[in-house]
Amino acid sequence: DAKTTQPPSMDCAEGRAANLPCNHSTISGNEYVYWYRQIHSQGPQYIIHGLKNNETNEMASLIITEDRKSSTLILPHATLRDTAVYYCIVTSGTYKYIFGTGTRLKVLA
Amino acid sequence: NAGVTQTPKFQVLKTGQSMTLQCAQDMNHEYMSWYRQDPGMGLRLIHYSVGAGITDQGEVPNGYNVSRSTTEDFPLRLLSAAPSQTSVYFCASSYQGQANTEAFFGQGTRLTVV
Repeated sequence: DAKTTQPPSMDCAEGRAANLPCNHSTISGNEYVYWYRQIHSQGPQYIIHGLKNNETNEMASLIITEDRKSSTLILPHATLRDTAVYYCIVTSGTYKYIFGTGTRLKVLA
Repeated sequence: NAGVTQTPKFQVLKTGQSMTLQCAQDMNHEYMSWYRQDPGMGLRLIHYSVGAGITDQGEVPNGYNVSRSTTEDFPLRLLSAAPSQTSVYFCASSYQGQANTEAFFGQGTRLTVV
């Protein structure tokens, strides 16, 4: 599975959009981009995933560049409850994730 | 529908003791995995299973054994605990392991080896 690179930390003002970048320049054609978050030391929580097209659900939007070498997770209106570590994962099989160290997002009041 | 259930939530072991971390899922998922997470790190894959009777090693398998006799359960065994195995352990399950579905994680077992 391809490796990913994320900034170690980001701050975002409450109510503003949080844009979390991820670089995955070695992604293969059959690999999906997944985003999870981990609040405190709880189990990772699924947010969204995509292959080529941009995706949106009730939690977030995922923007994948045309060459698929990078992506951005967008939390449209960040709240204090969105403070967490966000992981970007590229995989062809959901039973064998490779986690990096993620981005620690702090939402500021 | 309980999802992925891990027991116990907390455990303290003495060096050299053995124990089994339990993981059960009620979603009829074929694929199950065990991860460990050390402080300040991301999760690392220990072992995984693609179905009953089938298991394989992940990134950090040494010191751990697994078996999968039923679809629902995937226990992780520590044969002789070492302080280096102090960590938080997460179990996950997913449907057929295809890349177009998400994995569900348990709430973790916090293990301390003294």
